[in-house]
Amino acid sequence: AQSVTQLGSHVSVSEGALVLLRCNYSSSVPPYLFWYVQYPNQGLQLLLKYTTGATLVKGINGFEAEFKKSETSFHLTKPSAHMSDAAEYFCAVSDGGATNKLIFGTGTLLAVQP
Amino acid sequence: ETGVTQTPRHLVMGMTNKKSLKCEQHLGHNAMYWYKQSAKKPLELMFVYNFKEQTENNSVPSRFSPECPNSSHLFLHLHTLQPEDSALYLCASSPIGMGESSNQPQHFGDGTRLSIL
Repeated sequence: AQSVTQLGSHVSVSEGALVLLRCNYSSSVPPYLFWYVQYPNQGLQLLLKYTTGATLVKGINGFEAEFKKSETSFHLTKPSAHMSDAAEYFCAVSDGGATNKLIFGTGTLLAVQP
Repeated sequence: ETGVTQTPRHLVMGMTNKKSLKCEQHLGHNAMYWYKQSAKKPLELMFVYNFKEQTENNSVPSRFSPECPNSSHLFLHLHTLQPEDSALYLCASSPIGMGESSNQPQHFGDGTRLSIL
């Protein structure tokens, strides 16, 4: 069975500071990993994904994530936070099976202070 | 524009009412999903449809009844709901099949905010 753990349900950073959102996964097969962002009153928007190949993945809005198999981690980073980054972020894992089912973490709410 | 449209965006209903949520995708995908998002809980997958056939039902109570008339449309029929059913209901779609389809992310609509009185 697959699972995702997001450490820290709330993270607060200052504008211009580094953003680090943590995600650890459990999977018995090579995982496909995703980060989604949810702004208030909206659905989930894909930030980036890891399937195979390069372990450092770049996404939209300046975000990137690194797949570390030895640590079973897929942490999301952004060098400099912007006020518009305030949102909830979800890490998800898929086994790429017949239904393309995603297992989500509980989410991390990012606040950006001026 | 997400390519996945959900209506209505907000719905308030009594426990004895019957209503339906609608989802439409314009992405040419063959799989569609219903999720429930409640405060402080992970997204819960409710149903999966692949080429109009239901392939997964995660022990959802029968007061939720999905319908998928074609690969572009998905409905969630609601009746005799309980207060704990108040949540954001999200629809998503993705391609499913051979090869690279399994790598493709799901695309989400903006959801229907459901409140049960």
